[in-house]
Amino acid sequence: DIQMTQSPSSVSASVGDRVTITCRASQGFNTWLAWYQQKPGKAPKLLIYGASTLQSGVPSRFSGSGSGTVFTLTISSLQPEDFATYYCQQANRFPRTFGQGTKVEIK
Amino acid sequence: EVQLVESGGGVVRPGGSLRLSCAGSGFTFDDYGMSWVRQAPGKGLEWVSGINWNGDSTNYADSVKGRFTISRDNAKNSLYLQMSSLRAEDTALYYCARDRSSGYTAEYFQHWGQGTLVTVSS
Repeated sequence: DIQMTQSPSSVSASVGDRVTITCRASQGFNTWLAWYQQKPGKAPKLLIYGASTLQSGVPSRFSGSGSGTVFTLTISSLQPEDFATYYCQQANRFPRTFGQGTKVEIK
Repeated sequence: EVQLVESGGGVVRPGGSLRLSCAGSGFTFDDYGMSWVRQAPGKGLEWVSGINWNGDSTNYADSVKGRFTISRDNAKNSLYLQMSSLRAEDTALYYCARDRSSGYTAEYFQHWGQGTLVTVSS
């Protein structure tokens, strides 16, 4: 199975800050990677797929990059509604696997 | 508007069985692959199982292989998860999720239900 490891596990940041989350895969693959945002009590929301393609309706302050084994999610200017937990997910092989999550908290 | 509504969760004893259902609407159900994703209380997301558009291809997480069976009835716009030999570690909120694009199976999950809670406890 492909293991997905996110770092950091949590980050404290202020509104307006730039935040970067990293996801590392135990095996390399092309760009079969997605990022999701989950708020408490809610279902996850797809933000980015194909490592860097923004899902329709997602603000442009979110961006993704990477290929192979290292991928990043960047929030260019953190907004109050962005405080949530973020997950990466690989779609290269079965079983699909998620990272353990990164919680973005208010500083 | 795409809607996914899960049902069938509840409390079950270890070793017991349960069948989850997911009713889809607002899209052509048999165009899309579907999956089950679960989340244990306070924990992260775990993909459980996926099925292609017509049901002839299925995949499972190692943790449920041989115990869970995914299926679908396109005439009823419904997805199912038959769970047997349940364990305490299967306790979770189970989400039904639809693929972003037609023609794929468990690729990217664009639409999610609100989940149904399964508790395995004696």
